[in-house]
Amino acid sequence: SAVISQKPSRDICQRGTSLTIQCQVDSQVTMMFWYRQQPGQSLTLIATANQGSEATYESGFVIDKFPISRPNLTFSTLTVSNMSPEDSSIYLCSVDGLAGALRTNQETQYFGPGTRLLVL
Amino acid sequence: SQQGEEDPQALSIQEGENATMNCSYKTSINNLQWYRQNSGRGLVHLILIRSNEREKHSGRLRVTLDTSKKSSSLLITASRAADTASYFCATDEHPGGGNKLTFGTGTQLKVEL
Repeated sequence: SAVISQKPSRDICQRGTSLTIQCQVDSQVTMMFWYRQQPGQSLTLIATANQGSEATYESGFVIDKFPISRPNLTFSTLTVSNMSPEDSSIYLCSVDGLAGALRTNQETQYFGPGTRLLVL
Repeated sequence: SQQGEEDPQALSIQEGENATMNCSYKTSINNLQWYRQNSGRGLVHLILIRSNEREKHSGRLRVTLDTSKKSSSLLITASRAADTASYFCATDEHPGGGNKLTFGTGTQLKVEL
């Protein structure tokens, strides 16, 4: 299994500002994902972070609001831009644990501890 | 993508009892996974069942999958207070899921002493 860390673990931010969340994995992985969990809700996928190329965003999420970087196989960042109180959520990154040719479509996903964001 | 439904939304039982949670989903899948989340923290992976499997066990957990009904159930036997958490099912859609997960609405389980 992969060990995943996220920074910061929590933050309180003012509206109109931006926050960058980091996700670090202890091994190389092909697929990294970013999810949002609004208060009392389930998880919704924001985007897939692709190494060496632009992220793939889900319906309802755009790059200008949630820019993502994936400079290598162990690291990714998600920025929440121009924040409003509606962005208050837990943001989680996940990985599917394997890199390269060993991957199938049957991989367990492992989640980071999450970043709890409150926007005032 | 459409979220799956889980029921019940909330479940309260006594320690030692069994807890059953159900999950329904909308599309064909590669696999279905169950996760536990304690108090808004990160998710802990519990079990993965592939689309060609019907039942799987792991310790006190038993998962069933019925692809004809597009449903799954999670049974926790001999529950403990430490099992108190939210439980989510998540599906990897087929084809083209790319290991992106679609989460159910979740069941809040409370196990009382």
